[in-house]
Amino acid sequence: SQQGEEDPQALSIQEGENATMNCSYKTSINNLQWYRQNSGRGLVHLILIRSNEREKHSGRLRVTLDTSKKSSSLLITASRAADTASYFCAPQGGSEKLVFGKGTKLTVNP
Amino acid sequence: NAGVTQTPKFQVLKTGQSMTLQCAQDMNHEYMSWYRQDPGMGLRLIHYSVGAGITDQGEVPNGYNVSRSTTEDFPLRLLSAAPSQTSVYFCASSYSGQQYEAFFGQGTRLTVV
Repeated sequence: SQQGEEDPQALSIQEGENATMNCSYKTSINNLQWYRQNSGRGLVHLILIRSNEREKHSGRLRVTLDTSKKSSSLLITASRAADTASYFCAPQGGSEKLVFGKGTKLTVNP
Repeated sequence: NAGVTQTPKFQVLKTGQSMTLQCAQDMNHEYMSWYRQDPGMGLRLIHYSVGAGITDQGEVPNGYNVSRSTTEDFPLRLLSAAPSQTSVYFCASSYSGQQYEAFFGQGTRLTVV
């Protein structure tokens, strides 16, 4: 299994702005997942992108994957205060284990 | 359809006591896992299971036991609680470990004094 590393560790923006967070990993993957965690709650799945996909959209979320650079990014457009949360990536290779990094803590100020 | 249910939500233990954190899912998921989350550490995988009767260790298995006698349940046992096990514990399940989203419980906040 492998762990993704999210960057930045913390991000503070104003409501309406876009938020971009990145995930880097070390070895080849089959897919990469993004999750959100509101304070004190369980993680919620946002999006899964497979290794043969370069971009995926879900509502205000846009995820890109660059397997040559071993990196992914999550873009949240037109951020809202309710987007305040921690965001985690989970790259998956041959193992079924889902392993998380330390996450990006996003604060959206009203 | 309750999803993933963890009990209890809060627990205080004395050092040396044992207890079992319960996790149940009603989605007929094969893959289940336990994580602990400490401040600034993200989630760390303790143990996981790919089906009934099959369990394996994650990143931080010491001090914890698991068993998977049914598809629905995946209890986590603390054999002799230590203050270092003070943490928030999350259980998760998915249809399969690969290519499928994981569903998380709401967590158990454990304090060992």
